[in-house]
Amino acid sequence: QVTLKESGPVLVKPTQTLTLTCTVSGFSLSNLRMGVSWVRQPPGKALEWLAHSFSNDEKSYATSLRSRLTVSKDTSKSQVVLILTNMDPVDTATYYCARVQKHPILFYFYYYMDVWGPGTAVTVSS
Amino acid sequence: DIQMTQSPSSLSASVGDRVTITCRASQSISDYLNWYQQKLGEAPKLLITAASSLQSGVPSRFSGSGSGTDFTLTISSLQPEDFATYYCQQSSSTPFTFGPGTTLDLK
Repeated sequence: QVTLKESGPVLVKPTQTLTLTCTVSGFSLSNLRMGVSWVRQPPGKALEWLAHSFSNDEKSYATSLRSRLTVSKDTSKSQVVLILTNMDPVDTATYYCARVQKHPILFYFYYYMDVWGPGTAVTVSS
Repeated sequence: DIQMTQSPSSLSASVGDRVTITCRASQSISDYLNWYQQKLGEAPKLLITAASSLQSGVPSRFSGSGSGTDFTLTISSLQPEDFATYYCQQSSSTPFTFGPGTTLDLK
């Protein structure tokens, strides 16, 4: 059974750095066709894709957050870490990690998030 | 970045109704389009990949179509558990942007 679970602080102060950990089970972070994505959702608002990371160091980040966002992994611990610097109240959101599949069809790859963690709510406030 | 739009933003319908949600990309994305369902207080759930491929375990009343810039999600006969918010997402090029969502509620 594939599961993912996010963990980290519930409350951070403005200008602080947020570190969230996604712990996965049921699949390996060494798998070339499976990675982890991060998605967030401010209260009452839409989903926002943040980043993804694969075992071959393929990484991509949301344009608006590229200067503040880093994703890294510890394969031995089955964990992927999201680091978001200089937090602001607008970063208040539920943060989700999800398994992202990189599915080859002919010469192309189809990416989709098929298993999600329950999410963790983060509030930015002084 | 590729911008995604959805219409309508909200929709009231009854059990048994056929509903269609539209998603549009700001440029051609071929069929690199996913649909997700999110119920209140829950994580999103993958419904459809590659514009029209139903994810395993998803009821056959859900279907997707489209290619290029215009896509649709259709629910052929609404069931009580289908009232939720639906998001499209493009995976043609990073960043993999989501649409703003369509909320389906009970009339």
